[in-house]
Amino acid sequence: DGGITQSPKYLFRKEGQNVTLSCEQNLNHDAMYWYRQDPGQGLRLIYYSQIVNDFQKGDIAEGYSVSREKKESFPLTVTSAQKNPTAFYLCASSTEQGGDSGANVLTFGAGSRLTVL
Amino acid sequence: GENVEQHPSTLSVQEGDSAVIKCTYSDSASNYFPWYKQELGKRPQLIIDIRSNVGEKKDQRIAVTLNKTAKHFSLHITETQPEDSAVYFCAARYSGGYQKVTFGTGTKLQVIP
Repeated sequence: DGGITQSPKYLFRKEGQNVTLSCEQNLNHDAMYWYRQDPGQGLRLIYYSQIVNDFQKGDIAEGYSVSREKKESFPLTVTSAQKNPTAFYLCASSTEQGGDSGANVLTFGAGSRLTVL
Repeated sequence: GENVEQHPSTLSVQEGDSAVIKCTYSDSASNYFPWYKQELGKRPQLIIDIRSNVGEKKDQRIAVTLNKTAKHFSLHITETQPEDSAVYFCAARYSGGYQKVTFGTGTKLQVIP
């Protein structure tokens, strides 16, 4: 059963702690993404990676870090530097098809809800 | 970077009526425009997409139009049904060296039976 798995589903953190959200895919997709979802603000891009050992900052990367050591895995660390980390985090993956005729269909995980106590 | 604006933020329609959601994008280098539907408590899923070399695309009750000159695209849902109630997101993909997908802020559609 192919798909993208995020864990944990719910996570509570004390202020000042780093936490890592897991994202694993078995779709053989090249690209992976992390989005943050807040009410009324849509999906905001945190980091994305097109290939192993390479990743780019998105629009709201401050206070977050990622790694892409394996094609299947793209973990996100929410550091203590992130001032307002309580949110719903979505991981996605896609095959990269460039050019004017290319599509870029994202497959999303079920999400992880982080609450800072 | 790319900026995608989406309107309206909420939309209520009677069952059977049509719904239209509009988005504008800022970067003329964007070349792919998908629409995602997120039902309550579920993950977003692609419902339709359009590429920059096409002006309109239809899939049953759903259609998307693209005006590259004006840099805007719209989602049209006809004969709405209660199961169409969800949050809809538009997005734009920049075609540069890194294919970044930027989403709009979402539209909460409520179809009233």
